[in-house]
Amino acid sequence: QSVLTQPPSASGTPGQWVTISCSGSSSNIGSNTVSWYQHLPGAAPKLVIYSNNQRPSGVPDRFSGSESGTSASLAVSGLQSEDEADYYCAAWDDSLNNVVFGGGTKLTVL
Amino acid sequence: QVQLQESGPGLVKPSGTLSLTCAVSGGSISSSNWWSWVRQSPGKGLEWIGEIYHSGSDNYNPSLKSRVTISVDKSTNQFSLKLNSVTAADTAVYYCARNRRVQGSRLGLDVWGQGTTVTVSS
Repeated sequence: QSVLTQPPSASGTPGQWVTISCSGSSSNIGSNTVSWYQHLPGAAPKLVIYSNNQRPSGVPDRFSGSESGTSASLAVSGLQSEDEADYYCAAWDDSLNNVVFGGGTKLTVL
Repeated sequence: QVQLQESGPGLVKPSGTLSLTCAVSGGSISSSNWWSWVRQSPGKGLEWIGEIYHSGSDNYNPSLKSRVTISVDKSTNQFSLKLNSVTAADTAVYYCARNRRVQGSRLGLDVWGQGTTVTVSS
């Protein structure tokens, strides 16, 4: 059971807009920023959003993040086949004193 | 550009000690960033193991804390992971990663090694 809760799956057709939610608590998302990772099979995870809504250099602006209270979301607009991957949210947890990950969401491009 | 490379045995016997090293190139391990280990067991999600700062300060996942030690070697620009009393449940792909910090703010795990598979089996 992960400390951060994500839906196990999400899907959309090419060109669509998809969101992935991440629910936490006051000790993690409620008091620290959220980062999001894209994980393709056989590859290292890739940071796509940090500090709730910031994109690292090189990440397409189709990826955006938001946070409200103890929840966060990752949005992908203009969905492309290359976006098909597992996505994880993460945040520091002040009570556990460690980084906590969500269970991951498998994004399928139909 | 900072790059990370894990190395270590791919097979560890049950009850033994898993030892991995992460070589940091293209930058100094003595920067303002922390250095983390993350793993993914077969069919499961990402699990944060712990992190270390070049001063030796560290933080560990409470679920692994009794078995884990992360250390840093500034002379070789490397950091290491030791996990003792391993079982089959510790079979996973192990990644090292840079935990970017700017003025104390955590900015995510922005550089990752390619990962190394460790199997616990006799």
